[in-house]
Amino acid sequence: GEDVEQSLFLSVREGDSSVINCTYTDSSSTYLYWYKQEPGAGLQLLTYIFSNMDMKQDQRLTVLLNKKDKHLSLRIADTQTGDSAIYFCAESIWGNKLTFGTGTQLKVEL
Amino acid sequence: DSGVTQTPKHLITATGQRVTLRCSPRSGDLSVYWYQQSLDQGLQFLIQYYNGEERAKGNILERFSAQQFPDLHSELNLSSLELGDSALYFCASSVGQGTDPAYGYTFGSGTRLTVV
Repeated sequence: GEDVEQSLFLSVREGDSSVINCTYTDSSSTYLYWYKQEPGAGLQLLTYIFSNMDMKQDQRLTVLLNKKDKHLSLRIADTQTGDSAIYFCAESIWGNKLTFGTGTQLKVEL
Repeated sequence: DSGVTQTPKHLITATGQRVTLRCSPRSGDLSVYWYQQSLDQGLQFLIQYYNGEERAKGNILERFSAQQFPDLHSELNLSSLELGDSALYFCASSVGQGTDPAYGYTFGSGTRLTVV
């Protein structure tokens, strides 16, 4: 079945690293994604990882995928106040739709 | 600007009414997807059209319907509105039919519907 879980809140200090976690239940996922949603804005694709990869790095973002445990994480290095937003992980199974997690609200404090 | 245009940005209407939300995909994109984001249900896939034809259906209520026109814009019609239909409705578009990142799956900024 499709069920994507995330913790609801994360608070970090500016300059620290943030790690946002996600667990999913469907091992048929082909791609896994991280989206960012700022207040009043749409969903912005941050990064994605193909299901046969373990890790992907893109500037300050590092995605780790553990297929055995069905666990996905997003690490943001040197977190800035502009990173404050809601972060969604999403999986794509049969290709036409994205199944989103519950979202994690990241608050960056000075 | 993502290139996906949704109108109106905000809509307030009464229970029992009918509304139409509009989405213009990015230039060149043939697929349009509709999602609903509510406090109760989170972000849920509603329906997908590709080049005018319905291709996938998610948790879309019977009171809701959608279509994609020859110019590829799409409309989501919501009728007999209930308080629980209050949500942010997103449209996304892509070149192909899937969520493969190569297809450029891109979201609009949404229409916020408030039913009073």
